[in-house]
Amino acid sequence: QVQLVESGGGVVQPGGSLRLSCAASGFTFSSYGMHWVRQAPGKGLEWVAFIRYDGSNKYYADSVKGRFTISRDNSKNTLYLQMNSLRAEDTAVYYCAKCILEPGGDWFDPWGQGTLVTVSS
Amino acid sequence: SSELTQDPAVSVALGQTVRITCQGDSLRSYYASWYQQKPGQAPVLVIYGKNNRPSGIPDRFSGSSSGNTASLTITGAQAEDEADYYCNSRDSSGNLHWVFGGGTKLTVL
Repeated sequence: QVQLVESGGGVVQPGGSLRLSCAASGFTFSSYGMHWVRQAPGKGLEWVAFIRYDGSNKYYADSVKGRFTISRDNSKNTLYLQMNSLRAEDTAVYYCAKCILEPGGDWFDPWGQGTLVTVSS
Repeated sequence: SSELTQDPAVSVALGQTVRITCQGDSLRSYYASWYQQKPGQAPVLVIYGKNNRPSGIPDRFSGSSSGNTASLTITGAQAEDEADYYCNSRDSSGNLHWVFGGGTKLTVL
């Protein structure tokens, strides 16, 4: 079945860096765009970044632009999120999700189980 | 950018019908998708497109849209439907950005 498994979360000091991974299986990874979405403790969902199926275009939320980089390795069926200059407000569970793009509206399905990133000194 | 607005909390009696709404300018151009999230779990897609349910989602869940408002309706709410519900759509700015509503906590009484 379709499965997404995130890894790489942990505790990092403010200003530090971390790289998250999302291993995909059960579908043709190279045919789909992918998202990162985060959720701060006790808060709602926030879209973070999107990458097209071939990595040709990448889009970021204003809150992370210039600090985070989304990438993918289609030969390894893996999505990445490189996070630099981390701030306390980046503390969240980070989810990857498969993207279905349609002219009238898009959707995220499925989602991984998430990985927790804590930015604290 | 654009915003999607949801009521923070809604309650429904067991077996009754409840509507959860989502308002935003982007909904005039794009259908919303809806996600259910239970405590400690990842979000799950429940409605997408005009009114489509993924495999495994009960048919008591339905979606609709009018103007700048999208709605998720649960007809005959069950105890297991108690959860947070989030709407989402593409940003109406024209860029490939997406926005989530703030979420609605549904309590089944």
